[in-house]
Amino acid sequence: ETGVTQSPTHLIKTRGQQVTLRCSSQSGHNTVSWYQQALGQGPQFIFQYYREEENGRGNFPPRFSGLQFPNYSSELNVNALELDDSALYLCASSSGQRTGAFNYGYTFGSGTRLTVV
Amino acid sequence: GDSVTQMEGPVTLSEEAFLTINCTYTATGYPSLFWYVQYPGEGLQLLLKATKADDKGSNKGFEATYRKETTSFHLEKGSVQVSDSAVYFCALSAQGAQKLVFGQGTRLTINP
Repeated sequence: ETGVTQSPTHLIKTRGQQVTLRCSSQSGHNTVSWYQQALGQGPQFIFQYYREEENGRGNFPPRFSGLQFPNYSSELNVNALELDDSALYLCASSSGQRTGAFNYGYTFGSGTRLTVV
Repeated sequence: GDSVTQMEGPVTLSEEAFLTINCTYTATGYPSLFWYVQYPGEGLQLLLKATKADDKGSNKGFEATYRKETTSFHLEKGSVQVSDSAVYFCALSAQGAQKLVFGQGTRLTINP
């Protein structure tokens, strides 16, 4: 197992810019989810991808989008950044079915700390 | 909708004290329940889980029992160590759902 790796670890962007965050999932994990964790809060579900297709979305606007690639890597893209987008963004992967979280939980990366100024 | 409520923090204890962090949930059906731990500057690590009523999850001296009748999944440890200082998150995953629903987290500090 290689774990879940996220890059970059820290990022500073200006309001209105666009950002791409990257995640390399654990080998064999074909389900990947992204979460936003604001300071002092629990993570909030953004969306999930299963076999390269979006498979569920939380209460986030369309300017949050994603991609999943056949090599178990994925991206989170955020357009038109707002100050409130400042948070820790966590990638998490799971094996097996579309609802792998139910039985197995997720393996999380260490996150990307995004600061919007 | 589904939700998780954790006891208010922060919690400060002395080394070797007994720990309880309360967690209750609201969900339809029979969700799976999890405790995650987050050390400073790191992501979340799965601490333990339980997938059906009356199951007990355990790991590293921590335990939690899935109580359907009280919709609870309280985290306990008999003797805490300084290295247990972290933020603890209770979470659930509903049947057929694609996501984890987290509580707000409880910051635990253990003093030597």
